[in-house]
Amino acid sequence: DAKTTQPTSMDCAEGRAANLPCNHSTISGNEYVYWYRQIHSQGPQYIIHGLKNNETNEMASLIITEDRKSSTLILPHATLRDTAVYYCIVRIRSQGGSEKLVFGKGTKLTVNP
Amino acid sequence: GAGVSQSPRYKVAKRGQDVALRCDPISGHVSLFWYQQALGQGPEFLTYFQNEAQLDKSGLPSDRFFAERPEGSVSTLKIQRTQQEDSAVYLCASSLVWQRRSGNTIYFGEGSWLTVV
Repeated sequence: DAKTTQPTSMDCAEGRAANLPCNHSTISGNEYVYWYRQIHSQGPQYIIHGLKNNETNEMASLIITEDRKSSTLILPHATLRDTAVYYCIVRIRSQGGSEKLVFGKGTKLTVNP
Repeated sequence: GAGVSQSPRYKVAKRGQDVALRCDPISGHVSLFWYQQALGQGPEFLTYFQNEAQLDKSGLPSDRFFAERPEGSVSTLKIQRTQQEDSAVYLCASSLVWQRRSGNTIYFGEGSWLTVV
């Protein structure tokens, strides 16, 4: 019951910006969008999250559309070490206080030299 | 330690054996999650704790799976009578109390790799 859809794979040239799209058309008003990435045999690594406004940190930028139905993760200058599976996730919180991240299948990003 | 710690890192179990996987969350983290990740798939939610209370166990695949967090810190995921389909990486994650205005970060451990033979 993933709430996000992403392309299965993408390629990017080293040193260029990588733009990873995500659709979350059924997102609710108080649900955050999170991005994680996972390199083989490691646990998911947090990248960035946002609700309505665009966000930027030392790793990436997150652009969320005004209707919140889609977003784009931008890695400004991709390096070979950025090759990983990138997950766009909705954080769901229930009235009873429970919460969870619902992962989809992710986008396999390959950065080429 | 600085991050979420999981042990054992690797476990090979014979079919029918019971296993216990341990998670040490980041100190002070109220929320604790367990996820199961099969090869080539995204992580699947298993269960959620807020302190010692298990608020959601909807993702546990069968009654052979049991999780506890008796003192609100360390958590154990127990799998009884393991079967081959239980082979997966089991991920633990933790976070501070939810902050509505800003959200907060959920930190994952490196996972426990379980192989049932």
